[in-house]
Amino acid sequence: NAGVTQTPKFRILKIGQSMTLQCTQDMNHNYMYWYRQDPGMGLKLIYYSVGAGITDKGEVPNGYNVSRSTTEDFPLRLELAAPSQTSVYFCASSYSMKTQYFGPGTRLLVL
Amino acid sequence: QQQVKQSPQSLIVQKGGISIINCAYENTAFDYFPWYQQFPGKGPALLIAIRPDVSEKKEGRFTISFNKSAKQFSLHIMDSQPGDSATYFCAASMEYGNKLVFGAGTILRVKS
Repeated sequence: NAGVTQTPKFRILKIGQSMTLQCTQDMNHNYMYWYRQDPGMGLKLIYYSVGAGITDKGEVPNGYNVSRSTTEDFPLRLELAAPSQTSVYFCASSYSMKTQYFGPGTRLLVL
Repeated sequence: QQQVKQSPQSLIVQKGGISIINCAYENTAFDYFPWYQQFPGKGPALLIAIRPDVSEKKEGRFTISFNKSAKQFSLHIMDSQPGDSATYFCAASMEYGNKLVFGAGTILRVKS
């Protein structure tokens, strides 16, 4: 049982490039989330999903897109990367609506 | 209304001492208050959580105190150990929602 896995661990992007951050969970959780963590700012919710085919915006969705075609996978797409998207990105999942299990994170640097 | 304010930003405690981290919220619809612990290079992990129908919850050396009227809750770490050195986040959510609102985090360092 691997829990929540994220790839890549680290990535450098040039301004204007695009990329997809991968997230997979093997706990059969319905709920999945994407957060970004910036120093001194806590974690901010980008997008979340309550099940396959259902996604919704969180607090900071601009510049990102998500899809949820399966229960296991919840990729986060960055289009036209900007320096403001330099951050650490965490994916999480939950069975109940409460206890969220986090992945190890993806560190993204946009130059 | 959706904010959770956390203090202090950083905290240094001697080994064996008590670490106290405080959080305050405005939205009275919040009804679930977890604390997450994050070690460097790792994702946050649930440490302990409380519902507003109790004023205190204890798990080992970790205690949450909850003051509903003041809209405040705090984490107490008794007999703090160097292994407790981490970033701690308080959070809140509503019963029929699954979106956690996080505080800014507290970096705890326990000196041996």
